[in-house]
Amino acid sequence: DAGVIQSPRHEVTEMGQEVTLRCKPISGHNSLFWYRQTMMRGLELLIYFNNNVPIDDSGMPEDRFSAKMPNASFSTLKIQPSEPRDSAVYFCASSLAGRVEQFFGPGTRLTVL
Amino acid sequence: EDQVTQSPEALRLQEGESSSLNCSYTVSGLRGLFWYRQDPGKGPEFLFTLYSAGEEKEKERLKATLTKKESFLHITAPKPEDSATYLCAVQAYSGGGADGLTFGKGTHLIIQP
Repeated sequence: DAGVIQSPRHEVTEMGQEVTLRCKPISGHNSLFWYRQTMMRGLELLIYFNNNVPIDDSGMPEDRFSAKMPNASFSTLKIQPSEPRDSAVYFCASSLAGRVEQFFGPGTRLTVL
Repeated sequence: EDQVTQSPEALRLQEGESSSLNCSYTVSGLRGLFWYRQDPGKGPEFLFTLYSAGEEKEKERLKATLTKKESFLHITAPKPEDSATYLCAVQAYSGGGADGLTFGKGTHLIIQP
C-alpha cells in the first residue's frame, strides 16, 4: 500500500524563482495537509483541504505562497517568488474521513540560494 | 492559541535505561493528542492517538499516557534502534471535519549501546 508521495525530494533554486512542490495523498484519504519544518520553528501547518476544498490557509506565511488541490489525488504548493528564508522541509500529510490520524510523506527539502 | 511544549529537548540514555519524555499542552478543546517518531531525513511516523485523560496506549517498548495538561511517552529498556526525534501534537475541536495539528519541537533521543 503506497503512502503519501511527494516530489521532488530535494529542490535547490535561486532567489526569485518559482518553486512547485507536489503531493499525492494516500488513496481514499479525503483530507490533505501541508506543513513546513525548520530548526527554529519546528513543524507548522500551512494549509489544509477537506474533499479538495481549502479549509484553513491561515498558516500560509505570505501571498507568495499558494496551494491547490484540483482533484482527490493531487495537490501542489507553489512559492513565487522564492526567498532564502523559505528554505525548509515541506511535508504533505493525509487522513481518512472520520479519522484523526495523519500520515506524512517523506518531505521535500527546499534550499533557496 | 494551542500550544505544545516538549521536554527535554535532547536525551541520551544507555541501552536498557528506561525514561520518560514529557509533552505539556494547552488547547481550547482537545480532540486528540498524538505521538510521532521522526528519523533523520524522513517524515513523521504515527505512533499513538490519545483522546481523554487517563487513557494509555502501548506499542513494544513505548507507552503513552495522558492527563488533562500533559502526556508522557515512557520508554522501557530502550534499544539503539529507538533513537529518533519524538514529536507530540494536539488537535483541537473545530466543530467540523479534519483539522491541522499543532506540534511541539520534539525530543531528540539517543540510545547508546
